[in-house]
Amino acid sequence: QKEVEQNSGPLSVPEGAIASLNCTYSDRVSQSFFWYRQYSGKSPELIMSIYSNGDKEDGRFTAQLNKASQYVSLLIRDSQPSDSATYLCAVYAGNNRKLIWGLGTSLAVNP
Amino acid sequence: DGGITQSPKYLFRKEGQNVTLSCEQNLNHDAMYWYRQDPGQGLRLIYYSQIVNDFQKGDIAEGYSVSREKKESFPLTVTSAQKNPTAFYLCASSQLNTEAFFGQGTRLTVV
Repeated sequence: QKEVEQNSGPLSVPEGAIASLNCTYSDRVSQSFFWYRQYSGKSPELIMSIYSNGDKEDGRFTAQLNKASQYVSLLIRDSQPSDSATYLCAVYAGNNRKLIWGLGTSLAVNP
Repeated sequence: DGGITQSPKYLFRKEGQNVTLSCEQNLNHDAMYWYRQDPGQGLRLIYYSQIVNDFQKGDIAEGYSVSREKKESFPLTVTSAQKNPTAFYLCASSQLNTEAFFGQGTRLTVV
């Protein structure tokens, strides 16, 4: 089992819809979780960080964390074509507290 | 402005040549990371450092070397032992167990 898993996609949604991105992780003691957006040819940029169970909202983005089920999700409301990118999930894990990355989910928002 | 600066943005290497990629941060972060990203692929960890004068190998360290003589600097040398170095190289920094921030990346091409 990979340490951090994401569906590779592509996930295609119409403009204005809700995009739902999921990530599961294997290390039960992980405490820090992050979502990044990466446009083609660019470096990743942080969208959300979440440390506690439940929901965290920031504008059109909501991160949801469920430690018991070992998953973290990202919801994008009112999706825009500019949201089309690859979304990376990252988790601190292991005794050495190394940042572990998923392979990313490609999102396409269609006008 | 606080941030992470990678240079150069584009770099060309001849066969058998060593090249060094620069990464400087003024965020006062303890941890710094080097990643490699190939087209359409995820981030692969080359080396990371959590404190000055100490660093650990990541998943693909062969053919690469690093130093961490100063807190703000973490240069990466791509040696001639790295047989397929053409890739997008990303440097990041963070405080331990918190979000990582990335530089703009260096695109290395073998000519």
